[in-house]
Amino acid sequence: QKEVEQNSGPLSVPEGAIASLNCTYSDRGSQSFFWYRQYSGKSPELIMSIYSNGDKEDGRFTAQLNKASQYVSLLIRDSQPSDSATYLCAVNPFRDSSASKIIFGSGTRLSIRP
Amino acid sequence: GAVVSQHPSRVICKSGTSVKIECRSLDFQATTMFWYRQFPKQSLMLMATSNEGSKATYEQGVEKDKFLINHASLTLSTLTVTSAHPEDSSFYICSAAVGDSRSEQYFGPGTRLTVT
Repeated sequence: QKEVEQNSGPLSVPEGAIASLNCTYSDRGSQSFFWYRQYSGKSPELIMSIYSNGDKEDGRFTAQLNKASQYVSLLIRDSQPSDSATYLCAVNPFRDSSASKIIFGSGTRLSIRP
Repeated sequence: GAVVSQHPSRVICKSGTSVKIECRSLDFQATTMFWYRQFPKQSLMLMATSNEGSKATYEQGVEKDKFLINHASLTLSTLTVTSAHPEDSSFYICSAAVGDSRSEQYFGPGTRLTVT
């Protein structure tokens, strides 16, 4: 079982709709969770971090964490063509989370169709 | 805040030569920096974790004598690809961690290495 699992996609969503990206992780003790966006040929960009159960909203983005189900998701409201990218879920599986390495999923390709 | 730079952004070198890539945290001190490699249409692969003032920790399968990492200060880490071969051609990306319990990593823009 992979430590961090994502559906590779591509996920195609019409412009203006809600895009829903999902991620599961294997280590129940994980403390920190991240979503990165990576455009083709570019490096990843941190867009959301979440540390406790529930929802965290930032503009059009909402991260949702459910530690009991070992599940983290990212919702993108009012999807725009510029949101088309690969979204990487990342998890810090260490209980001592201070500056430890994080484990990346393989990413979900999101395509927003006009 | 949390800006990481990398230099060069693109480099072409001949087989057998060495290439040095610099990674700098511009507006924060990074106790830990990470080096990744990414081949086209593949996911990020962590190569090594670099702590300031100590030896880097390499991931399994990464040759430490080929990929030399130096983390001389809290704002600078370097990766040297020694005796480069065409199969080393890849996108090399560094990241820096703020160093608190949040463990957020911020990525540099990457260096595209082509070995001819």
